[in-house]
Amino acid sequence: DAKTTQPPSMDCAEGRAANLPCNHSTISGNEYVYWYRQIHSQGPQYIIHGLKNNETNEMASLIITEDRKSSTLILPHATLRDTAVYYCIVTGPDKFYFGSGTKLNVKP
Amino acid sequence: DGGITQSPKYLFRKEGQNVTLSCEQNLNHDAMYWYRQDPGQGLRLIYYSQIVNDFQKGDIAEGYSVSREKKESFPLTVTSAQKNPTAFYLCASSRLAGRYEQYFGPGTRLTVT
Repeated sequence: DAKTTQPPSMDCAEGRAANLPCNHSTISGNEYVYWYRQIHSQGPQYIIHGLKNNETNEMASLIITEDRKSSTLILPHATLRDTAVYYCIVTGPDKFYFGSGTKLNVKP
Repeated sequence: DGGITQSPKYLFRKEGQNVTLSCEQNLNHDAMYWYRQDPGQGLRLIYYSQIVNDFQKGDIAEGYSVSREKKESFPLTVTSAQKNPTAFYLCASSRLAGRYEQYFGPGTRLTVT
Protein backbone atom coordinates (compact mmCIF):
# COMPACT_ATOMS: atom_id res chain seq x y z
CA ASP A 1 0.00 0.00 0.00
CA ALA A 2 1.27 3.44 -0.86
CA LYS A 3 1.78 5.32 2.39
CA THR A 4 3.01 8.81 3.05
CA THR A 5 5.71 10.44 5.17
CA GLN A 6 5.34 13.99 6.43
CA PRO A 7 7.30 16.07 8.95
CA PRO A 8 5.42 16.18 12.28
CA SER A 9 5.42 19.97 12.52
CA MET A 10 6.40 23.17 10.72
CA ASP A 11 6.33 26.87 11.49
CA CYS A 12 5.48 29.65 9.07
CA ALA A 13 5.30 33.43 9.45
CA GLU A 14 1.96 35.03 8.71
CA GLY A 15 1.83 36.37 5.15
CA ARG A 16 4.62 34.12 3.93
CA ALA A 17 4.25 31.03 1.78
CA ALA A 18 3.93 27.71 3.61
CA ASN A 19 5.48 24.77 1.79
CA LEU A 20 4.46 21.40 3.19
CA PRO A 21 6.35 18.36 1.85
CA CYS A 22 5.13 14.79 1.51
CA ASN A 23 6.93 11.63 0.48
CA HIS A 24 4.99 8.86 -1.23
CA SER A 25 7.74 6.80 -2.83
CA THR A 26 5.62 3.65 -3.30
CA ILE A 27 2.75 5.36 -5.13
CA SER A 28 1.24 3.38 -7.98
CA GLY A 29 0.38 4.71 -11.42
CA ASN A 30 -3.37 4.91 -10.77
CA GLU A 31 -3.17 6.44 -7.30
CA TYR A 32 -3.93 10.09 -6.62
CA VAL A 33 -2.36 12.44 -4.08
CA TYR A 34 -4.91 14.26 -1.92
CA TRP A 35 -4.38 16.94 0.69
CA TYR A 36 -6.73 17.67 3.58
CA ARG A 37 -6.44 19.80 6.67
CA GLN A 38 -7.97 19.42 10.10
CA ILE A 39 -8.52 22.26 12.49
CA HIS A 40 -8.65 21.10 16.09
CA SER A 41 -11.57 18.79 16.89
CA GLN A 42 -13.27 19.29 13.54
CA GLY A 43 -13.64 16.99 10.53
CA PRO A 44 -10.89 17.26 7.91
CA GLN A 45 -11.46 19.60 4.98
CA TYR A 46 -10.44 18.80 1.41
CA ILE A 47 -7.83 21.16 -0.06
CA ILE A 48 -6.58 19.86 -3.41
CA HIS A 49 -5.61 16.71 -5.29
CA GLY A 50 -3.57 15.62 -8.31
CA LEU A 51 -2.38 12.64 -10.31
CA LYS A 52 0.79 13.78 -12.07
CA ASN A 53 0.35 17.43 -13.10
CA ASN A 54 0.69 20.43 -10.84
CA GLU A 55 -2.64 21.79 -9.67
CA THR A 56 -3.86 25.11 -8.30
CA ASN A 57 -7.13 26.22 -6.80
CA GLU A 58 -8.32 29.11 -4.66
CA MET A 59 -6.85 27.57 -1.52
CA ALA A 60 -3.47 26.18 -2.53
CA SER A 61 -1.10 24.80 -5.14
CA LEU A 62 0.09 21.22 -5.42
CA ILE A 63 3.46 20.42 -6.95
CA ILE A 64 4.08 16.74 -7.78
CA THR A 65 7.57 15.65 -8.81
CA GLU A 66 8.01 14.05 -12.21
CA ASP A 67 8.65 10.61 -10.70
CA ARG A 68 5.55 11.14 -8.46
CA LYS A 69 7.46 10.03 -5.38
CA SER A 70 6.91 13.27 -3.53
CA SER A 71 4.74 16.36 -3.54
CA THR A 72 4.53 19.79 -1.93
CA LEU A 73 1.45 21.69 -0.84
CA ILE A 74 1.89 25.44 -1.09
CA LEU A 75 -0.27 27.94 0.81
CA PRO A 76 0.82 31.15 -0.92
CA HIS A 77 0.05 33.65 1.86
CA ALA A 78 -0.45 31.84 5.15
CA THR A 79 -2.81 33.37 7.72
CA LEU A 80 -3.35 32.52 11.37
CA ARG A 81 -6.48 30.63 10.32
CA ASP A 82 -4.29 28.22 8.34
CA THR A 83 -2.93 26.78 11.59
CA ALA A 84 -4.02 23.15 11.38
CA VAL A 85 -2.85 19.59 10.79
CA TYR A 86 -2.30 18.91 7.09
CA TYR A 87 -2.66 15.38 5.77
CA CYS A 88 -1.20 14.10 2.54
CA ILE A 89 -2.84 10.86 1.45
CA VAL A 90 -2.55 8.56 -1.51
CA THR A 91 -5.79 6.99 -2.67
CA GLY A 92 -6.86 4.28 -5.04
CA PRO A 93 -10.25 2.58 -5.37
CA ASP A 94 -9.86 0.89 -2.00
CA LYS A 95 -6.98 2.65 -0.30
CA PHE A 96 -7.27 5.65 2.02
CA TYR A 97 -4.41 6.04 4.48
CA PHE A 98 -4.27 9.34 6.36
CA GLY A 99 -1.14 9.00 8.48
CA SER A 100 -0.26 11.50 11.22
CA GLY A 101 0.05 14.65 9.11
CA THR A 102 2.04 17.87 9.62
CA LYS A 103 1.03 20.37 12.28
CA LEU A 104 1.46 23.80 10.66
CA ASN A 105 1.87 26.66 13.12
CA VAL A 106 1.37 30.05 11.51
CA LYS A 107 2.88 32.74 13.70
CA PRO A 108 2.22 36.50 13.69
CA ASP B 1 -27.89 22.80 3.15
CA GLY B 2 -26.02 19.79 1.82
CA GLY B 3 -23.63 17.95 4.04
CA ILE B 4 -22.94 15.20 6.53
CA THR B 5 -24.44 15.07 9.97
CA GLN B 6 -23.21 13.01 12.87
CA SER B 7 -25.02 12.68 16.12
CA PRO B 8 -24.56 13.10 18.93
CA LYS B 9 -21.46 15.29 19.23
CA TYR B 10 -20.56 13.76 22.61
CA LEU B 11 -21.54 10.28 23.79
CA PHE B 12 -20.88 8.58 27.10
CA ARG B 13 -21.34 4.87 27.72
CA LYS B 14 -20.51 2.28 30.32
CA GLU B 15 -18.06 -0.46 29.51
CA GLY B 16 -19.73 -3.59 28.13
CA GLN B 17 -22.50 -1.74 26.30
CA ASN B 18 -22.87 -1.58 22.54
CA VAL B 19 -23.35 1.91 21.14
CA THR B 20 -24.41 3.08 17.67
CA LEU B 21 -23.12 6.27 16.09
CA SER B 22 -25.25 7.95 13.48
CA CYS B 23 -24.05 9.29 10.12
CA GLU B 24 -26.36 10.77 7.49
CA GLN B 25 -25.52 12.53 4.21
CA ASN B 26 -27.70 14.37 1.70
CA LEU B 27 -24.99 14.80 -0.94
CA ASN B 28 -26.19 11.81 -3.01
CA HIS B 29 -22.76 10.21 -2.57
CA ASP B 30 -22.28 6.52 -3.22
CA ALA B 31 -19.30 5.98 -0.91
CA MET B 32 -19.25 6.42 2.86
CA TYR B 33 -16.50 5.89 5.43
CA TRP B 34 -15.87 5.62 9.15
CA TYR B 35 -12.59 6.70 10.73
CA ARG B 36 -11.27 6.63 14.25
CA GLN B 37 -8.93 9.29 15.62
CA ASP B 38 -7.02 9.04 18.90
CA PRO B 39 -5.44 12.11 20.55
CA GLY B 40 -2.50 13.46 18.54
CA GLN B 41 -2.89 10.76 15.90
CA GLY B 42 -4.06 10.61 12.31
CA LEU B 43 -7.23 9.02 11.03
CA ARG B 44 -7.54 5.24 10.81
CA LEU B 45 -10.12 3.64 8.55
CA ILE B 46 -12.64 1.36 10.28
CA TYR B 47 -15.10 0.49 7.49
CA TYR B 48 -16.13 1.89 4.16
CA SER B 49 -19.02 1.30 1.79
CA GLN B 50 -18.97 1.87 -1.95
CA ILE B 51 -22.65 1.17 -2.51
CA VAL B 52 -25.84 0.31 -0.67
CA ASN B 53 -25.84 -3.13 0.96
CA ASP B 54 -22.08 -3.50 0.57
CA PHE B 55 -19.20 -2.59 2.85
CA GLN B 56 -15.55 -3.50 3.39
CA LYS B 57 -13.32 -3.66 6.44
CA GLY B 58 -10.66 -1.06 6.87
CA ASP B 59 -7.48 -1.29 8.92
CA ILE B 60 -9.10 -1.51 12.36
CA ALA B 61 -12.51 -3.18 11.90
CA GLU B 62 -12.31 -5.53 14.89
CA GLY B 63 -14.93 -4.72 17.50
CA TYR B 64 -16.99 -2.59 15.12
CA SER B 65 -19.93 -3.31 12.81
CA VAL B 66 -21.75 -1.27 10.16
CA SER B 67 -24.78 -1.45 7.89
CA ARG B 68 -25.68 0.35 4.68
CA GLU B 69 -29.37 -0.19 4.07
CA LYS B 70 -29.92 3.28 2.62
CA LYS B 71 -27.68 5.43 0.46
CA GLU B 72 -27.97 8.31 2.93
CA SER B 73 -27.12 6.43 6.10
CA PHE B 74 -24.09 4.50 7.37
CA PRO B 75 -24.39 3.82 11.12
CA LEU B 76 -21.43 2.46 13.09
CA THR B 77 -21.89 0.17 16.09
CA VAL B 78 -19.09 0.04 18.63
CA THR B 79 -19.48 -3.34 20.28
CA SER B 80 -18.38 -4.48 23.69
CA ALA B 81 -15.64 -6.47 21.92
CA GLN B 82 -13.78 -3.26 21.06
CA LYS B 83 -10.99 -3.16 23.65
CA ASN B 84 -10.42 0.59 23.72
CA PRO B 85 -13.48 2.35 22.29
CA THR B 86 -12.89 5.85 23.69
CA ALA B 87 -11.98 8.00 20.67
CA PHE B 88 -13.13 10.64 18.19
CA TYR B 89 -15.14 9.06 15.37
CA LEU B 90 -15.44 10.70 11.96
CA CYS B 91 -17.79 9.83 9.14
CA ALA B 92 -17.17 10.88 5.54
CA SER B 93 -18.69 10.45 2.11
CA SER B 94 -17.57 10.86 -1.50
CA ARG B 95 -19.03 10.44 -4.96
CA LEU B 96 -17.05 7.27 -5.52
CA ALA B 97 -14.48 5.55 -3.36
CA GLY B 98 -10.90 6.65 -3.94
CA ARG B 99 -11.40 8.99 -6.88
CA TYR B 100 -13.19 11.99 -5.38
CA GLU B 101 -12.66 14.15 -2.34
CA GLN B 102 -14.19 13.04 0.92
CA TYR B 103 -16.55 15.30 2.82
CA PHE B 104 -16.38 14.89 6.56
CA GLY B 105 -18.95 15.26 9.29
CA PRO B 106 -18.24 17.12 12.56
CA GLY B 107 -17.42 13.91 14.43
CA THR B 108 -18.66 12.15 17.56
CA ARG B 109 -16.51 12.00 20.66
CA LEU B 110 -17.20 8.72 22.45
CA THR B 111 -16.14 8.17 26.03
CA VAL B 112 -16.51 4.72 27.58
CA THR B 113 -15.90 4.29 31.30
